[in-house]
Amino acid sequence: DQQVKQNSPSLSVQEGRISILNCDYTNSMFDYFLWYKKYPAEGPTFLISISSIKDKNEDGRFTVFLNKSAKHLSLHIVPSQPGDSAVYFCAATLTTSGTYKYIFGTGTRLKVLA
Amino acid sequence: DVKVTQSLRYLVKRTGEKVFLECVQDMDHENMFWYRQDPGLGLRLIYFSYDVKMKEKGDIPEGYSVSREKKERFSLILESASTNQTSMYLCASLGGTNEKLFFGSGTQLSVL
Repeated sequence: DQQVKQNSPSLSVQEGRISILNCDYTNSMFDYFLWYKKYPAEGPTFLISISSIKDKNEDGRFTVFLNKSAKHLSLHIVPSQPGDSAVYFCAATLTTSGTYKYIFGTGTRLKVLA
Repeated sequence: DVKVTQSLRYLVKRTGEKVFLECVQDMDHENMFWYRQDPGLGLRLIYFSYDVKMKEKGDIPEGYSVSREKKERFSLILESASTNQTSMYLCASLGGTNEKLFFGSGTQLSVL
């Protein structure tokens, strides 16, 4: 049962335009949502996060939006740059009985075309 | 910055061999995790540990075991490797509730 879903396996965007990556989830008990970026042959690196009590968080070119009623979050990258080409994973955290788990989506491969 | 070290970048093993993957973190983090990454399946949690000698099964623990004898070190063991365990293995550590995970650079394991 995939609790965090990224339904678009890939996305291509022209340099300078907006990239929008989407993520859906099923568990309303998630505490935080995060986005990670992964280049080939490297580990994922943290990009941006949002608490479940917020609906927007912005950091430079990156903004994450959370729509709790739709159980949907999105990552906006404006403007997109060729160096943003990578696989993006959304993740959600769940705290149960004093331990916490990170649950990742399947990833979206973003290609920014110069 | 936090450093999570997986010293092996690539590893080739034969079916039935024992595989030992080691992960070391330098930030005194309590929580450590092992994931595997497969195309189209994302990152799937194998095991995690929230303290020394403590471990919890993740979503896909079958065929794996772990060891956490020291706080900084979390090892993943494949007692008898199989071809379906060919994958990228990623270790991560976490300092506290809802903080970000720090990942190692991963080990690409091929089981022939």
